[in-house]
Amino acid sequence: EVPLVESGGGLVQPGGSLRLSCVVSGFTFSGYWMTWVRQAPGKGLEWVANIQQVGTEKYYVDSVKGRFTISRDNAKNSLYLQMNSLRAEDTAVYYCARVRQAAGFDYWGQGTLVTVSS
Amino acid sequence: DIQMTQSPSSLSASVGDRVTITCRASQTISSYLNWYQQKPGKAPNLLIYAASTLQNGVPSRFSGSGSGTDFTLTIRNLQPEDFATYYCQQSYTSRWTFGQGTKVEIQ
Repeated sequence: EVPLVESGGGLVQPGGSLRLSCVVSGFTFSGYWMTWVRQAPGKGLEWVANIQQVGTEKYYVDSVKGRFTISRDNAKNSLYLQMNSLRAEDTAVYYCARVRQAAGFDYWGQGTLVTVSS
Repeated sequence: DIQMTQSPSSLSASVGDRVTITCRASQTISSYLNWYQQKPGKAPNLLIYAASTLQNGVPSRFSGSGSGTDFTLTIRNLQPEDFATYYCQQSYTSRWTFGQGTKVEIQ
């Protein structure tokens, strides 16, 4: 097993902020790209953002650009997603996952629920 | 961004059936295509990567094929534990995208 444990989800008002964390163990965290994927209630999977091993390359889905920031701390084996200016449509379960470059997301966390509502 | 289109969106099948799900990319993605299985309330599970390579531990009744823009996931001898939703995903670019999913239901 390669545990990835997300935290930081919860209920937030529109326009608010949350910071998600994903702590990993069981592999050399600094050797892998990492990603965040979300799933709105009853909907399909949506890739949100990814980050290269040392954090110099980052990519985002258009709908979160300028509002979300992906980052990592390799010394703490941790991945983060800072989410600002949250909207109702950001309501979803957010998963972190390990990227096996060009070969899919091979390990996933259990997910953390973010609910944006007044 | 590359758009991924799966068909059908849902299907009904019986235990023992052979099931085929297709995935089409909006532009060529070579063989950079992955398949996932997701059961309700659970994280997705990687089944196949690089279009046709079975992930460790995945039963051999699952297979994938295709290249370029058209891909297929086949499940032979459908088992009760295979009733789930399946997603394709392209990893050709660094902005990865998923198909909308195919729900396989019990007939």
